[in-house]
Amino acid sequence: DQQVKQNSPSLSVQEGRISILNCDYTNSMFDYFLWYKKYPAEGPTFLISISSIKDKNEDGRFTVFLNKSAKHLSLHIVPSQPGDSAVYFCAARTGGSYIPTFGRGTSLIVHP
Amino acid sequence: EAGVAQSPRYKIIEKRQSVAFWCNPISGHATLYWYQQILGQGPKLLIQFQNNGVVDDSQLPKDRFSAERLKGVDSTLKIQPAKLEDSAVYLCASSLGGQSSYNSPLHFGNGTRLTVT
Repeated sequence: DQQVKQNSPSLSVQEGRISILNCDYTNSMFDYFLWYKKYPAEGPTFLISISSIKDKNEDGRFTVFLNKSAKHLSLHIVPSQPGDSAVYFCAARTGGSYIPTFGRGTSLIVHP
Repeated sequence: EAGVAQSPRYKIIEKRQSVAFWCNPISGHATLYWYQQILGQGPKLLIQFQNNGVVDDSQLPKDRFSAERLKGVDSTLKIQPAKLEDSAVYLCASSLGGQSSYNSPLHFGNGTRLTVT
């Protein structure tokens, strides 16, 4: 039973355009959400997070939006760059737990 | 700040053999995690340590997997005997731990890619 779902295994975007990566979750107890980025042969690195008390968090080119009623979050990358090409994992945690549950990941390819 | 160190980077073994992975977390990080990532899936938690105590090992296949963190710093994960389905990347991660650092993210090592033939 997957509690964090990333239904798009891959996404292809032109350089300079917006990349939108989506994530859905089923556990209403999740109160903190994270996005990790992973390059081949490296471990995931933290990108951006959002608490359930917010609906938007922005850091440079990266913005995460949270829609609690729909149990949906998305990561927007604007503008997309070829160096953004990586696998992006959505993760979520419940209150009081340090252990995130990960989605399967979405592979983003940004074409020059 | 030095990152999470893992070794070896790659390991190929035959089924029924044993294997061990080593992890050195970021200095000062009290919490250490071992994750298994099978190709095409997200990382799945195997075990979580807080200092040298086990917090959660509910998803660790204890008939063949074991892990320890004797002095609250380095950790080893062992598989004995290995099965074909254990082929995966084994990721170690660490975080500050403690209630005040609830929102601190996990820092991952580069992982060990295990192939069981």
